[in-house]
Amino acid sequence: GQNIDQPTEMTATEGAIVQINCTYQTSGFNGLFWYQQHAGEAPTFLSYNVLDGLEEKGRFSSFLSRSKGYSYLLLKELQMKDSASYLCAAMDSNYQLIWGAGTKLIIKP
Amino acid sequence: DTAVSQTPKYLVTQMGNDKSIKCEQNLGHDTMYWYKQDSKKFLKIMFSYNNKELIINETVPNRFSPKSPDKAHLNLHINSLELGDSAVYFCASSHGQGVTDTQYFGPGTRLTVL
Repeated sequence: GQNIDQPTEMTATEGAIVQINCTYQTSGFNGLFWYQQHAGEAPTFLSYNVLDGLEEKGRFSSFLSRSKGYSYLLLKELQMKDSASYLCAAMDSNYQLIWGAGTKLIIKP
Repeated sequence: DTAVSQTPKYLVTQMGNDKSIKCEQNLGHDTMYWYKQDSKKFLKIMFSYNNKELIINETVPNRFSPKSPDKAHLNLHINSLELGDSAVYFCASSHGQGVTDTQYFGPGTRLTVL
């Protein structure tokens, strides 16, 4: 079956770095997406990886290892506004997104 | 300008009623989606439409029916509402269905069935 696993919740300190891991199993693979979702709001796109390696975009970076079925989202210089859920989603061979349940990130001062 | 909009934002109704949720996108996208996000926060695809054709129809009850009058609109009609239908429903759109086609989400409709 198709499955996405990510931690339910993580806590980090303002100004620090946090890494949110995601493992996936899909029928075929057409890329890995990360979305941010603040409480009560819609998910918003953060990043897309289809090739192995690290993609950097400002304070956020995303990594993919296709052979391991693994990705992580790295957030640097954490700010209070980064408190949100981070959703990992893998696109299968039918171009359908398979979503994880999200990782709730709590930032403490 | 709102890219993907949904109405209503909140919907409280009794079991057995029929209700509709509307979605509109002004991005010129060809594909629109409906997702259900339950209390466990999983986003589950329900339907997607591409150029007015239904292209994904997951195993959702036939009480749910998508209606697309044009490619900018994808409405969700729900018959005979049940308690388990309580969830947040998100509409989304993308340019196409390709690998780089980011999905843009509407603000969500929180449905509560009493």
